[in-house]
Amino acid sequence: AQSVTQLDSQVPVFEEAPVELRCNYSSSVSVYLFWYVQYPNQGLQLLLKYLSGSTLVKGINGFEAEFNKSQTSFHLRKPSVHISDTAEYFCAVSDLDGATNKLIFGTGTLLAVQP
Amino acid sequence: GAVVSQHPSRVICKSGTSVKIECRSLDFQATTMFWYRQFPKKSLMLMATSNEGSKATYEQGVEKDKFLINHASLTLSTLTVTSAHPEDSSFYICSAMEGGSGGYTFGSGTRLTVV
Repeated sequence: AQSVTQLDSQVPVFEEAPVELRCNYSSSVSVYLFWYVQYPNQGLQLLLKYLSGSTLVKGINGFEAEFNKSQTSFHLRKPSVHISDTAEYFCAVSDLDGATNKLIFGTGTLLAVQP
Repeated sequence: GAVVSQHPSRVICKSGTSVKIECRSLDFQATTMFWYRQFPKKSLMLMATSNEGSKATYEQGVEKDKFLINHASLTLSTLTVTSAHPEDSSFYICSAMEGGSGGYTFGSGTRLTVV
């Protein structure tokens, strides 16, 4: 079974500073990996996903993530954050063998951008 | 892109009544949909996998008689919270698999408050 670990429950950062949100996963099979953002009282919006191919994935709003199979990580990065990036960020993993196609979420990281 | 419509966005009901939440895929057919529950400041907990034309698969610990799932067509899945109690108050989110693309699209969520 897959699992996802987001070690940081909250990441405070000043506006225009770079940020990295960490995500590690475990799985016995190949996986798809995702990052979602959630604003208060809203659903989830896909930032980016890794299915195959290049390990560096670029997403919306200037975010990117790098798939590292040896370290089982999929950290999310942005070189310069804005106040509007303040939100909850979820890393998620899905199995590729098609048995369940479940999307399992990490516990989330609150990105708090300060002026 | 793929769109999932979830309705209602917010509902308040009396304890003991039942509430139905709808999740529709607007521009694609979704043979598989997922229902999540999110507690305040917590991650998304997968409740069940809804498969068109067959019974839903519930996660361990989820009461199937309380949370009735119906997936009668390729574009509609419903979650009915039966005999709701205050502890059922939560944010419920549905998701649909975009067949073949390895992606998932989320509804905007339903805030259920049981009084």
